Amino acid sequence: AQRVTQPEKLLSVFKGAPVELKCNYSYSGSPELFWYVQYSRQRLQLLLRHISRESIKGFTADLNKGETSFHLKKPFAQEEDSAMYYCALNGEYGNKLVFGAGTILRVKS
Amino acid sequence: NAGVTQTPKFQVLKTGQSMTLQCAQDMNHNSMYWYRQDPGMGLRLIYYSASEGTTDKGEVPNGYNVSRLNKREFSLRLESAAPSQTSVYFCASSEALHWEQYFGPGTRLTVT
Repeated sequence: AQRVTQPEKLLSVFKGAPVELKCNYSYSGSPELFWYVQYSRQRLQLLLRHISRESIKGFTADLNKGETSFHLKKPFAQEEDSAMYYCALNGEYGNKLVFGAGTILRVKS
Repeated sequence: NAGVTQTPKFQVLKTGQSMTLQCAQDMNHNSMYWYRQDPGMGLRLIYYSASEGTTDKGEVPNGYNVSRLNKREFSLRLESAAPSQTSVYFCASSEALHWEQYFGPGTRLTVT
């Protein structure tokens, strides 16, 4: 079964501090992993996907198959990064995107 | 290009009432989805439609029905609403399964 765990409901950091949003997954095959973000009063939107290996808005995420993790990182948090972040998994044989419970990131000035 | 639209934005129902949530997309996407968002539980898939003419159950289908009316529209029906169905409902679409999903603005439903 596919499962995504985001252990932190809320992560609060100061502006300029590093950010790491944790995501662990459970899946026996080759997963495809995503981070989606929902800013206040905006729609849920894709932030990045692991196969793209790109940095979006300064965020990066590396798939670690050994630790079954896909943590989202940014070296210097900005106030505009405050949002709800969801990690999501799509298994190679599954047709469904499974979401974690989400982490609220609050960046304080 | 409106993307994914949902109606209504807000709705209050009494237990036992029925209603249909409407979703439409103008991106010519093949696949469409209905999710519910509850605090501490993230987004859970209710039903999805891989392509026009097909629908399949997701993680939490009980109490809901769907209709893929055409390629653009995918509706979600609550036949007899229950307080446990109080939630925010999101519709999404993607070019195909496994592709990036685009979400609508959501419908906030309260069942009293």
